[in-house]
Amino acid sequence: DAGVTQSPTHLIKTRGQQVTLRCSPKSGHDTVSWYQQALGQGPQFIFQYYEEEERQRGNFPDRFSGHQFPNYSSELNVNALLLGDSALYLCASSSKPGLEAFFGQGTRLTVV
Amino acid sequence: AQSVTQLGSHVSVSEGALVLLRCNYSSSVPPYLFWYVQYPNQGLQLLLKYTSAATLVKGINGFEAEFKKSETSFHLTKPSAHMSDAAEYFCAVSDPGSARQLTFGSGTQLTVLP
Repeated sequence: DAGVTQSPTHLIKTRGQQVTLRCSPKSGHDTVSWYQQALGQGPQFIFQYYEEEERQRGNFPDRFSGHQFPNYSSELNVNALLLGDSALYLCASSSKPGLEAFFGQGTRLTVV
Repeated sequence: AQSVTQLGSHVSVSEGALVLLRCNYSSSVPPYLFWYVQYPNQGLQLLLKYTSAATLVKGINGFEAEFKKSETSFHLTKPSAHMSDAAEYFCAVSDPGSARQLTFGSGTQLTVLP
């Protein structure tokens, strides 16, 4: 079982650019959540996807958007990058909303 | 709104000593509670969870936590620290009625001294 896999592992972008991060959930899981973890802080919930729809959203601007595909994999898109978007982005999957979440290794995004 | 407070951003213990990491929560309904561990440059690994069953929860690697509703606490303990326990630990809460997101504390960095 490959667990939750995220790509890429590291990424450097320039302010104003757009970025797409990808996540493949653990086998048998159909729910994907995204979290942002700034340096020295706990993860903060961005949104959750289930049945290809955004089901819940945290306190993040519309620059953050996502998508879930029929195979349950997911993408996180961030537009008009700011320096403050630099963080570790974590993907978590579960077998349905509300059950135990398994986390991937994360994507380290650096905005310069 | 739910919140989690982890007392002590840094905790140091000697190898073989008791580990105690503190977590207090605020929730309008009986919550689900979790402890996760994060090693450098890695994601989060679930140590244990409380989902309204037994109040004393045993997890992996010898860790356990006790849910105390009267104190709104869910402290993490381990009787004897190992060097390999050095990591960052996060307490998290979710609302079981709408357990679609985790709210995390700010984390406690555990250092184990030889």
